[in-house]
Amino acid sequence: DQQVKQNSPSLSVQEGRISILNCDYTNSMFDYFLWYKKYPAEGPTFLISISSIKDKNEDGRFTVFLNKSAKHLSLHIVPSQPGDSAVYFCAVQGGSEKLVFGKGMKLTVNP
Amino acid sequence: DAGVIQSPRHEVTEMGQEVTLRCKPISGHNSLFWYRQTMMRGLELLIYFNNNVPIDDSGMPEDRFSAKMPNASFSTLKIQPSEPRDSAVYFCASSLSGADTQYFGPGTRLTVL
Repeated sequence: DQQVKQNSPSLSVQEGRISILNCDYTNSMFDYFLWYKKYPAEGPTFLISISSIKDKNEDGRFTVFLNKSAKHLSLHIVPSQPGDSAVYFCAVQGGSEKLVFGKGMKLTVNP
Repeated sequence: DAGVIQSPRHEVTEMGQEVTLRCKPISGHNSLFWYRQTMMRGLELLIYFNNNVPIDDSGMPEDRFSAKMPNASFSTLKIQPSEPRDSAVYFCASSLSGADTQYFGPGTRLTVL
């Protein structure tokens, strides 16, 4: 059973527009939520996170929204840039060091 | 600053052979994680260590897989015997402690023929 679902395998957007990446989780006990970005032939790198006591966290062009009642989080990138093209992983954490990752979503930003 | 170092970057081997993947965590980090990435299952945690002690190995798929951390600066993931379904990218990550941000190495792409 997948505890973290990224239902869309890919997304393509134009440079300058908004990218919205979605993630659903199943366990309401998770209390920390993260997004990682991965370029080809590299390991994932931490991008942004949010704790369960918040519903929004912003860092420059990146904003993460958390809807606890819907067990849903999303990552907004505004404006999108070609360098944002990568695979994005949603991850959740609850009560231990363990991260549970989604399968990832490939974002392509076209110039 | 050196990040997490993994070797080899690529490994091609034949079914039945032993494979050893190596990881050097970031100096000063107390937690180390081994992950496997496949198309079907995405990025999944195999095992993690805290202060060189295995804490959770529930993600290790079978007895063919074993991991060790003999000291704070070195860990190995061994597969013996290897099978074609073990083909994947294996990542090592480390964190300062507990739930701190995990920093990933570049991964080892394993192909078992």
